[in-house]
Amino acid sequence: KAGVTQTPRYLIKTRGQQVTLSCSPISGHRSVSWYQQTPGQGLQFLFEYFSETQRNKGNFPGRFSGRQFSNSRSEMNVSTLELGDSALYLCASREASGNYEQYFGPGTRLTVT
Amino acid sequence: AQKITQTQPGMFVQEKEAVTLDCTYDTSDQSYGLFWYKQPSSGEMIFLIYQGSYDEQNATEGRYSLNFQKARKSANLVISASQLGDSAMYFCAMREGRGFKTIFGAGTRLFVKA
Repeated sequence: KAGVTQTPRYLIKTRGQQVTLSCSPISGHRSVSWYQQTPGQGLQFLFEYFSETQRNKGNFPGRFSGRQFSNSRSEMNVSTLELGDSALYLCASREASGNYEQYFGPGTRLTVT
Repeated sequence: AQKITQTQPGMFVQEKEAVTLDCTYDTSDQSYGLFWYKQPSSGEMIFLIYQGSYDEQNATEGRYSLNFQKARKSANLVISASQLGDSAMYFCAMREGRGFKTIFGAGTRLFVKA
């Protein structure tokens, strides 16, 4: 099976712009989670989607949003970008919601200038 | 509240020796899962091993084993016969049974010396 794919891999944006990141889970996986990784804050949970429904959301402002499509692909959107949004954004998929191992994609490295 | 603590920011180990990476957790839930991930310099997170809170035996996956001590709330990762390619960041993570998010520790950077 193909692994989790994320596009784009690298992105440079300026403050105030918005960005959309895409994640395609492993075939058959219905749960997709998003994480932000920064040197200062480490890995922080953004949200998880399961069967097109957001199941939980981390402590991030409303500028961070996401959605999941019927084919389980997910997108994450960040509006009004700030310098502090520069990070590695990781997507992970699991077979179902619950205590199953999750598999990560390679990440999208976002730089905000 | 959930919490994962990794107290070793960095660890050195000689090639072919075993190494233990520490992880303690805090949760009030009876049902939870514990995970270890490896993150090489390339950035991709690689799943290593999983332990469920009701699993009676310690999980093992090849050279990786998880030393699960439930009463002490610890879930240490043991890597046997270290290889140069094991040099990476290692993250301990936990997911509560009723929750829908996984929280991660700060990570331990492992350096394997030739």
